[in-house]
Amino acid sequence: EAGVTQSPTHLIKTRGQQATLRCSPISGHTSVYWYQQALGLGLQFLLWYDEGEERNRGNFPPRFSGRQFPNYSSELNVNALELEDSALYLCASSLGSNPYNEQFFGPGTRLTVL
Amino acid sequence: KQEVTQIPAALSVPEGENLVLNCSFTDSAIYNLQWFRQDPGKGLTSLLLIQSSQREQTSGRLNASLDKSSGRSTLYIAASQPGDSATYLCAVGPSSNTGKLIFGQGTTLQVKP
Repeated sequence: EAGVTQSPTHLIKTRGQQATLRCSPISGHTSVYWYQQALGLGLQFLLWYDEGEERNRGNFPPRFSGRQFPNYSSELNVNALELEDSALYLCASSLGSNPYNEQFFGPGTRLTVL
Repeated sequence: KQEVTQIPAALSVPEGENLVLNCSFTDSAIYNLQWFRQDPGKGLTSLLLIQSSQREQTSGRLNASLDKSSGRSTLYIAASQPGDSATYLCAVGPSSNTGKLIFGQGTTLQVKP
């Protein structure tokens, strides 16, 4: 069974540009979560999508947004990139809409903002 | 506000040693606790999930315990191997309906041959 997949593996952008990161959940999983792992800050919760709806978002500015498609895959968009957005972005998925279900993580996308 | 702390931040042990990693959390109102492994620059691999009603979980050489009342969890690794070298993260799932995991800063383990 395929795990959570993310693309691209690496992404290099310049300040002010937009970045789009993609995530495909485990087959049968309907919830997708996004986390940011910036150097020195640890893993921070960004967004939770379930059945196409945003269920919760962390303490991040509105330029961090995303969506979930009918096939449950998800996109994370970061507008007006800033240097401090450089981080590893991790996507996770879980079975069903229960927020307490185990989350399974993908390999991440390394975003570098120059 | 839930805070998760992992001590020590780094640990170096010789191969074959048994070791314990610690995780503490400030709010006992958790739904579950997960232990993850992260290799440098990689994603997270789930090791063990303990529901709030459970006291421990075991998988191979790994054993995780949970004491909600004291706000503590431990990950015990038996007979450590160089391949166990990685960063170990604990994360609590709060009882509120938020969907988010709250992570500790991790313990970086080095097992020397």
